[in-house]
Amino acid sequence: DAGVIQSPRHEVTEMGQEVTLRCKPISGHDYLFWYRQTMMRGLELLIYFNNNVPIDDSGMPEDRFSAKMPNASFSTLKIQPSEPRDSAVYFCASRPGSRNTEAFFGQGTRLTVV
Amino acid sequence: QQQVKQSPQSLIVQKGGISIINCAYENTAFDYFPWYQQFPGKGPALLIAIRPDVSEKKEGRFTISFNKSAKQFSLHIMDSQPGDSATYFCAASMKAAGNKLTFGGGTRVLVKP
Repeated sequence: DAGVIQSPRHEVTEMGQEVTLRCKPISGHDYLFWYRQTMMRGLELLIYFNNNVPIDDSGMPEDRFSAKMPNASFSTLKIQPSEPRDSAVYFCASRPGSRNTEAFFGQGTRLTVV
Repeated sequence: QQQVKQSPQSLIVQKGGISIINCAYENTAFDYFPWYQQFPGKGPALLIAIRPDVSEKKEGRFTISFNKSAKQFSLHIMDSQPGDSATYFCAASMKAAGNKLTFGGGTRVLVKP
C-alpha cells in the first residue's frame, strides 16, 4: 500500500479563494482524521470520520471550513473563503477500526494564503 | 485547553548521549499514549506507544516511562544518533473518543555529531 496520499503537496492561493485539499486513506482503514499544524498551535485535530460518517467536527475553526468523505477511499477538506491565517500544513491520517490505534499520516499539504 | 503538555520545546544532545522528553496529561480517561517522530517535510510517524497498565516500554534505543499517579510520561532516546534529529510529539487518546489523538506541542531534537 502506498500509504495515505494527500494532494496537492503545496498550494498557494489568494485570500478569498476557495481551497480544496484531498486525501486518500489506506485501504481498509475505518477512521480518517484531518489535522492542521502550525508553529503557534502545533497539531490540532479538525475533524474525524468513522466509516465515512463525520463523528467529531468540534475542531473545525469556522464555518469557512468543511469536510466530506463521500466514500471509503476519498475525503476533502474545503476552505471557502480562505484567509491568510489559514496558512498551515494540513495532514490527513487514517487508522484501522481494530484495537490497533496507530494512525498513519500522509505527507501533508502546505497551504499558503496570500 | 491544552490537555497534553510537552517539554522542552527543543534540545541539543551530543551523539551517544541521552535525549529525554517529558509530557504531562490532564484527562485520566486517556488510555493510549504514543510518541510520534516527524522529519521536515514529512508527516508524523508512530515511534513507540504505551498503555497505562504498563510502567515502561522499550523498543531498541527508545524507552517510554509512564507514571500513572503523576499523570506523566517520558521518552528516553539512548545513544542518540544524528539520524534521530527530528521533532518528537507525545500524544494521548481514549477509546471512548474514537482514539482521536491529542498532541503535545512537540520537541525539536538536534543530535550533534
